[in-house]
Amino acid sequence: AQKVTQAQTEISVVEKEDVTLDCVYETRDTTYYLFWYKQPPSGELVFLIRRNSFDEQNEISGRYSWNFQKSTSSFNFTITASQVVDSAVYFCALTPSYNTDKLIFGTGTRLQVFP
Amino acid sequence: GAVVSQHPSWVICKSGTSVKIECRSLDFQATTMFWYRQFPKQSLMLMATSNEGSKATYEQGVEKDKFLINHASLTLSTLTVTSAHPEDSSFYICSAREDSSYNEQFFGPGTRLTVL
Repeated sequence: AQKVTQAQTEISVVEKEDVTLDCVYETRDTTYYLFWYKQPPSGELVFLIRRNSFDEQNEISGRYSWNFQKSTSSFNFTITASQVVDSAVYFCALTPSYNTDKLIFGTGTRLQVFP
Repeated sequence: GAVVSQHPSWVICKSGTSVKIECRSLDFQATTMFWYRQFPKQSLMLMATSNEGSKATYEQGVEKDKFLINHASLTLSTLTVTSAHPEDSSFYICSAREDSSYNEQFFGPGTRLTVL
């Protein structure tokens, strides 16, 4: 069975703090894709990153960085120097490479950044 | 990135009526479109996958006759909630994928349905 767990339901930080959102996944597939999406209050899902299971290199994009560790089945997301505009619900998702129609979402982490 | 629109963005209807939600890919052709449902403070659950010109594939537990999906063109898929009841109130999100964008689904802004 495939599953994505985001244990942190809600996180509150003050602006300029760094914050890490955890994502742990379960899959028996050897090849798969992992995603992070942002859902602001408006509701629209914003794609942040896709990572192939073969690529364990960490990635940095501006204030965002991702730490993929296959050994612990984790794909954590860090926001550096958080801003109020980062306030949103963040979803981690998984799809097997043989069936990319099946996006399996975690329950999401609600991040609130206070000024 | 590619743009997906949904219409309407919100709708309120009386119990027993049917509601149609449109999902359009604005700047690309979408062979495959997906419909998700999201309850408040919960995750997205895939309801069905629709392929242009063929019948939709529904996930287990989703009533085909309740949620009618039509994907008549490469840029439009519709979801019709038939004989809506208050428990159908939810946030419905569609996504679309073009053939050239392997693996990436582009999401619409969602439609909030409230059934009174």
